[in-house]
Amino acid sequence: EPEVTQTPSHQVTQMGQEVILRCVPISNHLYFYWYRQILGQKVEFLVSFYNNEISEKSEIFDDQFSVERPDGSNFTLKIRSTKLEDSAMYFCASSSGDRGRYEQYFGPGTRLTVT
Amino acid sequence: DAKTTQPPSMDCAEGRAANLPCNHSTISGNEYVYWYRQIHSQGPQYIIHGLKNNETNEMASLIITEDRKSSTLILPHATLRDTAVYYCIVRVGRKLQFGAGTQVVVTP
Repeated sequence: EPEVTQTPSHQVTQMGQEVILRCVPISNHLYFYWYRQILGQKVEFLVSFYNNEISEKSEIFDDQFSVERPDGSNFTLKIRSTKLEDSAMYFCASSSGDRGRYEQYFGPGTRLTVT
Repeated sequence: DAKTTQPPSMDCAEGRAANLPCNHSTISGNEYVYWYRQIHSQGPQYIIHGLKNNETNEMASLIITEDRKSSTLILPHATLRDTAVYYCIVRVGRKLQFGAGTQVVVTP
């Protein structure tokens, strides 16, 4: 069964450094998303992406964040200058949009630890 | 945005049906109800969704009341691996807004 994959599974970085989290969505899906979950808190929406542009973003997704689909398979989230409060699990998701199907399938997540 | 209300926790005996309630009294006519679950810190897992009709798949059944103000997720034969946080979500646009969900513990 096709699934969303994410790399790395765990990333440790120092405050102020740039990080890129990578995702490979399900191959025929057209809609892509990033969510995050701070330890012990709710899953929070960050951004949705369709047709090579951001379609929706939350207040969390400020200028420090960016997304890109650099090729036909990868979808990345970049955090330009990490802060301690960026430490969280980051989940990528995708949905097909085919025939009105928008259920999102999530990857296993990347645990980002900012020190 | 439509909000959902779920009990914070519930226990279920292994092999029995688990019935998870959700209230969404402010849901609009074209908004879907989605159910996801999250096992420990894994990525949320899609279970099922519906608009107004009852739905069933290999994982669960979804019963939506006629007025659409509430729904029930049914896990027909709960197993220990069904222990998870279950989220009832009314999708607004493309994003999913997760609440606190219901912590379901399946006991032997």
